[in-house]
Amino acid sequence: SQTIHQWPATLVQPVGSPLSLECTVEGTSNPNLYWYRQAAGRGLQLLFYSVGIGQISSEVPQNLSASRPQDRQFILSSKKLLLSDSGFYLCAWSRTDTQYFGPGTRLTVL
Amino acid sequence: AQKITQTQPGMFVQEKEAVTLDCTYDTSDQSYGLFWYKQPSSGEMIFLIYQGSYDEQNATEGRYSLNFQKARKSANLVISASQLGDSAMYFCAMRGTYNNNDMRFGAGTRLTVKP
Repeated sequence: SQTIHQWPATLVQPVGSPLSLECTVEGTSNPNLYWYRQAAGRGLQLLFYSVGIGQISSEVPQNLSASRPQDRQFILSSKKLLLSDSGFYLCAWSRTDTQYFGPGTRLTVL
Repeated sequence: AQKITQTQPGMFVQEKEAVTLDCTYDTSDQSYGLFWYKQPSSGEMIFLIYQGSYDEQNATEGRYSLNFQKARKSANLVISASQLGDSAMYFCAMRGTYNNNDMRFGAGTRLTVKP
């Protein structure tokens, strides 16, 4: 069966510091991968998706970036965090219609 | 543009009773998919049920069923025999045809099951 991992689970970072969140999927190959952000009490906002290694599509312009160095690894990064980057970040994978989510990373920028 | 609307910020239901969570959508796509996810306090988004726009029968998964009314553009989630563990946020989502990587989510409904 497939599993999806995210780390870290929680993160507190100062404004202006860099960010790296990692997502890995097990039990499948060539998945589509997604990064979402959820502000407190809100729905999910799609940030990036990837259909293959090195292929990244951005949905929302911002100071975040994403990379896919391996088939089942998806990384969300920032060079300088903003207060508005605080939120709950969810990674998801899909092979067909349904997206399956990881446990999420709660990021607080102070 | 695709849009998902969940008009109920919060709902209460008595344990063992059924509850309907509302979802309406707007799309110009002819083919699309509708999803419901559950988000407990832990934060993980748990997939519950899927309905394709060309599926003639309403989807069912155990105690979950999707009341799909295409002409009204609604995709309500029905939870039968509510349990205390059903207390969570519930999100309706839609994926279109032309960019099937673009999943749009509603604002969510917080369901509380009372003992």
